[in-house]
Amino acid sequence: KQEVTQIPAALSVPEGENLVLNCSFTDSAIYNLQWFRQDPGKGLTSLLLIQSSQREQTSGRLNASLDKSSGRSTLYIAASQPGDSATYLCAVLSGYSTLTFGKGTMLLVSP
Amino acid sequence: KAGVTQTPRYLIKTRGQQVTLSCSPISGHRSVSWYQQTPGQGLQFLFEYFSETQRNKGNFPGRFSGRQFSNSRSEMNVSTLELGDSALYLCASTTLGPRDTQYFGPGTRLTVL
Repeated sequence: KQEVTQIPAALSVPEGENLVLNCSFTDSAIYNLQWFRQDPGKGLTSLLLIQSSQREQTSGRLNASLDKSSGRSTLYIAASQPGDSATYLCAVLSGYSTLTFGKGTMLLVSP
Repeated sequence: KAGVTQTPRYLIKTRGQQVTLSCSPISGHRSVSWYQQTPGQGLQFLFEYFSETQRNKGNFPGRFSGRQFSNSRSEMNVSTLELGDSALYLCASTTLGPRDTQYFGPGTRLTVL
């Protein structure tokens, strides 16, 4: 059974800092890995998707890496801003359209 | 292109009642998945439908059921509601392949009293 763990559970940083969020998964037989953002009481917004054959994806200030053999992914956020405050969720796709999610990292960026 | 829509956005029910939630996927998307999000368990997969067929089901009791219509719209039903069913129910749609990005709706917040 696939299990996804995210560390840390919560993170508080001052504006402008670069930060790294970690995600690990137990079964390396995945199709892809997605990073999502969730604002309080809202749905999920897809940030980055990395196919199993890829090593990283970049979008603006966000960079996600994938090491499938070790079951790890990181989300790097450069020059953090207060608007980045949200919960970040990592999810792996192991079959059909079934995502297994981590519990998330709650990020607070203070001005 | 319109996003994934879910109705209603908020629901309050009492124990023992049943509820039906609706999800309209992005136009052209034929796969719809449902997830339950609670503070304790996080996001958990309920079921996935593709072309009106349930392809995959999570580890939830039979009180949770769903269906998909020919226009890809999907409904999920929960019968005999329990307090623990209070959650945010999210649906996601994707295109044909299993490797595509999943797009989530805003969710339906269900409160069971």
